[in-house]
Amino acid sequence: EDQVTQSPEALRLQEGESSSLNCSYTVSGLRGLFWYRQDPGKGPEFLFTLYSAGEEKEKERLKATLTKKESFLHITAPKPEDSATYLCAVHPSRGHNTDKLIFGTGTRLQVFP
Amino acid sequence: NAGVTQTPKFRVLKTGQSMTLLCAQDMNHEYMYWYRQDPGMGLRLIHYSVGEGTTAKGEVPDGYNVSRLKKQNFLLGLESAAPSQTSVYFCASSYSRQEWNMNTEAFFGQGTRLTVV
Repeated sequence: EDQVTQSPEALRLQEGESSSLNCSYTVSGLRGLFWYRQDPGKGPEFLFTLYSAGEEKEKERLKATLTKKESFLHITAPKPEDSATYLCAVHPSRGHNTDKLIFGTGTRLQVFP
Repeated sequence: NAGVTQTPKFRVLKTGQSMTLLCAQDMNHEYMYWYRQDPGMGLRLIHYSVGEGTTAKGEVPDGYNVSRLKKQNFLLGLESAAPSQTSVYFCASSYSRQEWNMNTEAFFGQGTRLTVV
């Protein structure tokens, strides 16, 4: 069964305190793995797509990495404006979910000044 | 630069009433999706469409119907609203499977907050 699990559910960081969010996945072949940011009352906003193990993408203080079983979103020296819920999704390449994105339940990040 | 637009943004319904949520995208995307988002349960797929005139059931389709008469529009209908359908609804769109070498992320609308009393 295609499945995505994100951890931790919630994370509180001091401004400047680096950390990582985890996305573990089980899929029948991986077409792509996506990271989104969602602010309260808004729709998810695309951050990164990763296609193969070993791939890395960076954007400002965020860096996403991918292995065959999981992805990490590393946040370096976070600022309060990085506070949001971060969602991970996978697109299976085989099976009955090839037309869909499978989402995790997200990690709610709070960064305090 | 509209992207994905959802109408309305907020709605309160009484149990048993019907309504239609409209999603419009201006990116010429083939695929469109309707999700609901509830606390602690993440995004759950209700229905989706892989092209004009096609629809398919997602994870939680009961109580909802959809139509994709035009490529740019995807409508979600509630025939007889129930309190269990109180949620935030998101529409999204993406490129087709044949274009997977391009950016393939899904773009989301801003959501519709629906309360059924």
